[in-house]
Amino acid sequence: DAGVTQSPTHLIKTRGQHVTLRCSPISGHKSVSWYQQVLGQGPQFIFQYYEKEERGRGNFPDRFSARQFPNYSSELNVNALLLGDSALYLCASSLAGATNYGYTFGSGTRLTVV
Amino acid sequence: GENVEQHPSTLSVQEGDSAVIKCTYSDSASNYFPWYKQELGKRPQLIIDIRSNVGEKKDQRIAVTLNKTAKHFSLHITETQPEDSAVYFCAGFGGSNYKLTFGKGTLLTVNP
Repeated sequence: DAGVTQSPTHLIKTRGQHVTLRCSPISGHKSVSWYQQVLGQGPQFIFQYYEKEERGRGNFPDRFSARQFPNYSSELNVNALLLGDSALYLCASSLAGATNYGYTFGSGTRLTVV
Repeated sequence: GENVEQHPSTLSVQEGDSAVIKCTYSDSASNYFPWYKQELGKRPQLIIDIRSNVGEKKDQRIAVTLNKTAKHFSLHITETQPEDSAVYFCAGFGGSNYKLTFGKGTLLTVNP
């Protein structure tokens, strides 16, 4: 049984560029959440999607956006990249949004902005 | 919103000793408290969790306690081993936002 899969695993982008990160949840999981983890810090919540609708949004600028597809996979988009966007981006999936059962993280995408 | 404080930021113990990491939370609506272990360059992995209707939970060498009145919860690792060395994060979940709020992490080093 596959876990949460994220792609790509590593990415290098230039300031001002745009990036799209992808996440496939565990089969049967309908909720996907995105977190940003800067080196030396705990993960910070960006978005949660459940049944293709945005359920929650963290304190991130509008340059960050996301969506969830009918198959429950998700994309995180970041526009106008800044050096400070360099981080590990984690996707987590769970069975449902509110009850938080089976909350599992993927291995993440390491984004470096130069 | 929820605020989770975690202490200490670093902890060094001798192999075989116990380690305790403490967290406090601010949102009384929080109802789920997981603990994650993160090794360098890897994803956070759930090691134990506790829900607000339970005061204590144990899984082999790992235990978590929750005091809802005081809004704090703790991770206890007994008989520590070098492979327990990692960063440990506590987190809180619940309230109006469907998100986990993490503490800043504790770097645990177990010396052989």
